[in-house]
Amino acid sequence: EVQLVESGGGLIQPGGSLRLSCAASGNSFNILFISWVRQAPGKGLEWVTIIYPDDRTFYADAVKGRFTISRDNSKNRVFLQMDALRVDDTALYFCVGSDMPNRGDFWGQGTPVSVSS
Amino acid sequence: EVVLTQSPATLSLFPGERATLSCRASQSVNGYLVWYQQKPGQAPRLLIYETSNRATGIPPRFSGSGSGTDFTLTISSLEPEDFAVYYCQQGYYWPTFGQGTKVDIK
Repeated sequence: EVQLVESGGGLIQPGGSLRLSCAASGNSFNILFISWVRQAPGKGLEWVTIIYPDDRTFYADAVKGRFTISRDNSKNRVFLQMDALRVDDTALYFCVGSDMPNRGDFWGQGTPVSVSS
Repeated sequence: EVVLTQSPATLSLFPGERATLSCRASQSVNGYLVWYQQKPGQAPRLLIYETSNRATGIPPRFSGSGSGTDFTLTISSLEPEDFAVYYCQQGYYWPTFGQGTKVDIK
């Protein structure tokens, strides 16, 4: 089973940038689909972005042009660069892995992002 | 965007009772319907994928069914650890989630 550990969250002012990191254990990282899913405080779940094993990337409309997902298979890591952050980006960000796209087989515990002035 | 509507919002049941949770999609999702369980302070856990396939380690009291736009998660006999929030999610289009059903102890 794959273990995922997120880091990089914190408090940031509107318009600022943060870079989240997701570290994965296991030997099959390079064939996994990795996504970021967020959950605003007390709210439901929202799929933010996904990166395929072949490095194709897709984004929710709410973050398109502001967020960038990337992966480093040599380090078993995925990164989420978040620019032009807005108050409504405030959420717990989960790193999610799967054997198939658009599905959440393995979840990290999340890293909190708070955007506030 | 495919909208998923879950009902009821809250289900109050006794341990041992049967729970039936509904998820309706605004358009057909071709069976790519997933169910998760989330407990307070924890990440979601995959229960069911592609409508009716139990994920690894999920007990047989959890079952999924449905087709087209209407899907159901059934918990045949509630155990104390099953009281949680359940989310459905479609993966045929850009992934979207339902708003969740909270199963609490009556």
